[in-house]
Formats: sequence, structure tokens, C-alpha cells
Amino acid sequence: EAGVTQSPTHLIKTRGQQATLRCSPISGHTSVYWYQQALGLGLQFLLWYDEGEERNRGNFPPRFSGRQFPNYSSELNVNALELEDSALYLCASSKRGTGQRYTFGSGTRLTVV
Amino acid sequence: QKEVEQDPGPLSVPEGAIVSLNCTYSNSAFQYFMWYRQYSRKGPELLMYTYSSGNKEDGRFTAQVDKSSKYISLFIRDSQPSDSATYLCAMSINAGGTSYGKLTFGQGTILTVHP
Repeated sequence: EAGVTQSPTHLIKTRGQQATLRCSPISGHTSVYWYQQALGLGLQFLLWYDEGEERNRGNFPPRFSGRQFPNYSSELNVNALELEDSALYLCASSKRGTGQRYTFGSGTRLTVV
Repeated sequence: QKEVEQDPGPLSVPEGAIVSLNCTYSNSAFQYFMWYRQYSRKGPELLMYTYSSGNKEDGRFTAQVDKSSKYISLFIRDSQPSDSATYLCAMSINAGGTSYGKLTFGQGTILTVHP
């Protein structure tokens, strides 16, 4: 069984640009979660998508947005990039009825210069 | 004050030692408690998942939850060099059967087990 896959692995952007990160959940998983892991700040919850709808959002500005597609894959968009957005962005997925048992991908390392 | 506090370490132990990792929390609404292991350049991997006070054992790993003290622990017996990683505690609220989808993580403890 393929795990959660994220692309790209690394992304370098200039301040003010937009970044798009992609995530494919495990087959059969309908929920996708996005987390930011910045140095010194730990893992911070960004967004939760389930069945194509945004279900919950963390304490991040609106320039962090995303969507979930009919095949349950997801993308995270970060507009007007700031230097502080440099971090590892992790995607996780879970299956309905399994509670908080998430499987994480290996992440996308976003560097804003 | 952070909702979840975890000693970042680093923690260095000899192979075969018993390792104790701990987290405290302030939000009494947390009901689900997890431990993740994260190797360098990888995503976190779920090790233990509990939702009640008491102990849960899985191989060399034992998770302990004390809701009255708002304190959780992970014990690793007979530690191996392959256990060297960052260990993260995580917690979540589940109200009325509906998950909020959010895990609140500790800062992570860096563990090194040397041969």
C-alpha cells in the first residue's frame, strides 16, 4: 500500500510569490490534514479537508488556503510568501472511523528567499 | 503558556537503557493522546494511540496517561540505536463524536541512543 505522497519534495520561492503544494492520501482515506513544521515552533495545524470540504482551520492568515479534489487529493496554496513561511509542510490522511490515527507524508520543504 | 509542554532534550542514552519521555498539558478537554516518532527528513510516524488513563503496551513501548495530573509518558525499554529520532507527543479533542481534525503537538524530544 502506497503511503501519503507529497510533491514537490523541495520548493524555493521568492518573497511575494505563490507556492502550491500537493498531497495524495492513502487509498481509501477521505480526510487530509495540513501541518506546518517551522524551526522552533513545532508542528502547527493548518487545515483539515474531508469529503471535499474544509472542516477546520488553524490559526493562520487567509493567504494559506487549499482544496480537496474528488479523488481526495489535496493542494495547499500559500500566497504572498513571507520569509517566515519557510518550513516543512506535512500532509497527513486518515480513514473515516479511525479517529485521530493519521499517516503523515514526508513533507515539502518550502524555502522563501 | 503552551497547551502542551515537552522537554526538547536532547536526550542521550546508552544502548539497552530505559528511556522516559514526558509531556504535560493544560487543556482538560484533550481526550486522545498519541506519540509519534520522526526520523530526520521524514514525516512523523504514529507509535502509540490512547484515549484513557492508564498504560498501553506495544512491544518495547509503553504509553502512560494520567488525566488527573494532565501528564503523559512514553517508555522505551531496551533502547536501540535505531530508536534515535525525535519523539513528539500529540493530543486532540473529540467532542460529541465529531473530530475537530486538529492535533496539538509538543515541541518534540530529540533522542540519541549510542551503541
